[in-house]
Amino acid sequence: EAGVAQSPRYKIIEKRQSVAFWCNPISGHATLYWYQQILGQGPKLLIQFQNNGVVDDSQLPKDRFSAERLKGVDSTLKIQPAKLEDSAVYLCASSLKAGTGGRNTIYFGEGSWLTVV
Amino acid sequence: AQSVTQLGSHVSVSEGALVLLRCNYSSSVPPYLFWYVQYPNQGLQLLLKYTSAATLVKGINGFEAEFKKSETSFHLTKPSAHMSDAAEYFCAVSDTDSGGYQKVTFGTGTKLQVIP
Repeated sequence: EAGVAQSPRYKIIEKRQSVAFWCNPISGHATLYWYQQILGQGPKLLIQFQNNGVVDDSQLPKDRFSAERLKGVDSTLKIQPAKLEDSAVYLCASSLKAGTGGRNTIYFGEGSWLTVV
Repeated sequence: AQSVTQLGSHVSVSEGALVLLRCNYSSSVPPYLFWYVQYPNQGLQLLLKYTSAATLVKGINGFEAEFKKSETSFHLTKPSAHMSDAAEYFCAVSDTDSGGYQKVTFGTGTKLQVIP
C-alpha cells in the first residue's frame, strides 16, 4: 500500500516569495491534515479536511497561508508571501474517517522542508 | 482541552540500557494515546497506540507503553537500547470534537541519544 506522498521534499526561497506544497494521501483516507513542525517542536495542526471540506483551520495564518483539497483526494498548501518564521517542515498526514472516536492512526508523509532566507 | 507533556527534551542512554521516555496527558474524556518516532529527515511513524483494549501496549521495534489512568501517564519503554533507536519520539493524545472529527495534539518531543 502506497504511503502519503509529498513534494517537493526541500525548498529554499527568499522572504516575500511564494511556495506551494503538494500532498497525495493514502488511497481511501477521507481525512487529510497539514501540520507545521518547527525545529525542536512537535507538529502543530494548520488545517484539517474531511473529504473536500475544511473541519478545522483555526491555527492557519489565513493572511498568508491557504490550502485546498478540491476533489477530496490530493491537496495543496500555499504560502504567500513567506516570512522567515515560516521556515519549518510541513507534514501532510491522512487517516481513514471520522466517527470512530479518535482511535484512528494518522499516517504521515516524509515532509516538505522549507527554508526562508 | 487535551494536552500532553513530555518530560525531558533530550534523553541519553547507553547501548543495551533501559529506555524510558515519559509522557503525561490531560484529557476530559478517556483518551486515545499514541507514540510516534521521527528519524532524521523523515516524517512521523507510529510506534504504538492505546485504544482502551489493554493497558500494556506493545509496539514495533521492541517498544511498549503502559497506560496508567491514576497517574495520567503513558510512558514509553524498551528493555535494551539499540543504536538504531536514536531518533525523536512524540507522544500524542486524541479524541473527537463536537462534530465527531478526530483531534490530535502532539507533545514537544524527546530526542533520544544512544551512546555506544
